[in-house]
Amino acid sequence: GQQVMQIPQYQHVQEGEDFTTYCNSSTTLSNIQWYKQRPGGHPVFLIQLVKSGEVKKQKRLTFQFGEAKKNSSLHITATQTTDVGTYFCAGWNDMRFGAGTRLTVKP
Amino acid sequence: DAGVIQSPRHEVTEMGQEVTLRCKPISGHNSLFWYRQTMMRGLELLIYFNNNVPIDDSGMPEDRFSAKMPNASFSTLKIQPSEPRDSAVYFCASSPPGQGSRSPLHFGNGTRLTVT
Repeated sequence: GQQVMQIPQYQHVQEGEDFTTYCNSSTTLSNIQWYKQRPGGHPVFLIQLVKSGEVKKQKRLTFQFGEAKKNSSLHITATQTTDVGTYFCAGWNDMRFGAGTRLTVKP
Repeated sequence: DAGVIQSPRHEVTEMGQEVTLRCKPISGHNSLFWYRQTMMRGLELLIYFNNNVPIDDSGMPEDRFSAKMPNASFSTLKIQPSEPRDSAVYFCASSPPGQGSRSPLHFGNGTRLTVT
């Protein structure tokens, strides 16, 4: 199946700093979904991107889908301790997740 | 509205024993997924059902693993015999019928399996 690569694997930031995680695919994706998993929890759906070049915002979170529909990014502005967790992208050609980016935030 | 319900929450068993994990998807959802999560391998798709029919089981590790979905409201994942390397958190997820694109997954709380 397709391989969705996610970078970085880990990111540690000071509270108030920005954070970005990137998702890349070797093949064109029909759509891409982002999930967040808190420590000890289960993945929770954040958003789905479908259109080429699409940008969606949820408060401090900005999601982008590349023009070629092969990459996506999640940007968090001014991180807070509540943002701690692992962020996954999933290319829904075959329901497989990227490895995730684990975000830790120092107060 | 109840979410995806998995049981048990924790399972500790000895190598060689049979393990059965259970999942009740959200009512009205027609797709069900089993995932396994470990530190080393991340979140792996094991098998996917659509309308109770297995669609993709290429992620099932080996013949020791089997999954069934006898009806729209119940699925099982069985490991027989279990091995220490099967220790992981097993998630079940369901999704409603799509409307032109893949519907979001709703995950259960997972079953933490420890095989000693």
